[in-house]
Amino acid sequence: AQTVTQSQPEMSVQEAETVTLSCTYDTSESDYYLFWYKQPPSRQMILVIRQEAYKQQNATENRFSVNFQKAAKSFSLKISDSQLGDAAMYFCAYRRYGGSQGNLIFGKGTKLSVKP
Amino acid sequence: EAGVAQSPRYKIIEKRQSVAFWCNPISGHATLYWYQQILGQGPKLLIQFQNNGVVDDSQLPKDRFSAERLKGVDSTLKIQPAKLEDSAVYLCASSLVLLANSPLHFGNGTRLTVT
Repeated sequence: AQTVTQSQPEMSVQEAETVTLSCTYDTSESDYYLFWYKQPPSRQMILVIRQEAYKQQNATENRFSVNFQKAAKSFSLKISDSQLGDAAMYFCAYRRYGGSQGNLIFGKGTKLSVKP
Repeated sequence: EAGVAQSPRYKIIEKRQSVAFWCNPISGHATLYWYQQILGQGPKLLIQFQNNGVVDDSQLPKDRFSAERLKGVDSTLKIQPAKLEDSAVYLCASSLVLLANSPLHFGNGTRLTVT
C-alpha cells in the first residue's frame, strides 16, 4: 500500500523569505502523480502544484516549485517570497496513474506560519 | 462559476444520534467524492460517485455510514448511529470527469463534533 509522510508538523517563515516543506512517499509503482494542497482556515483544499512521475522536470507555479527526487521518493515544496496569505496547512498527496481524480492518499500535513 | 456547496458548516450531536450532510457539486460535474478528515490528519476518501452510480465505496464504514446521489447532482452522506470517533471534518469534492486531468474542486466541509 502507498503511504505519504510529512515529517514537519509545523514550520515558520519570515515574510518575503523562502521555506521548504518536506514530503516522502512509498510506492512500488513507476507511474503516479504527486500533489501539494493548501488548506486555509476556511477548510477548502486548494491545489498548489502537481507533478507527473514520468516527467523529470520539476513543476513550478509562480512562487511555488517542487524538488522531485524519484529514486529517493522525495517531493518537497519550496515557497519563495512568502506572503501572509501563504499561512495554512499544506498536504502532500499521491495518486496512482490511471486512478480517479479524487483517489488521493494524503500525508498528515504541515502547518505553515508566516511572520510579518 | 459557483463552487462546491456544503451544509451545514458545523454540527454537534450526541453519540448514537444520526446526522446528515449535504453537498451540491459544481454544475455539470459528473464525479463527486466524500472525504473524512480527522483532526491532525489528511483527508481520507470515503466514497466516489460517477453521476448517480457508486464507483468505489471500499473505505466507507457501511455499518453506520451511507451516501446517495439519486439524481446525479447533489449528494447526502449520513451517519447512523454516530460514534465519538466520527468527529471530523467531512469534505465534498467534484470533478468534471472521473479520469483524465480535470481539476478537483473542494467545498468548505462540515465540521462534526460527537459528544
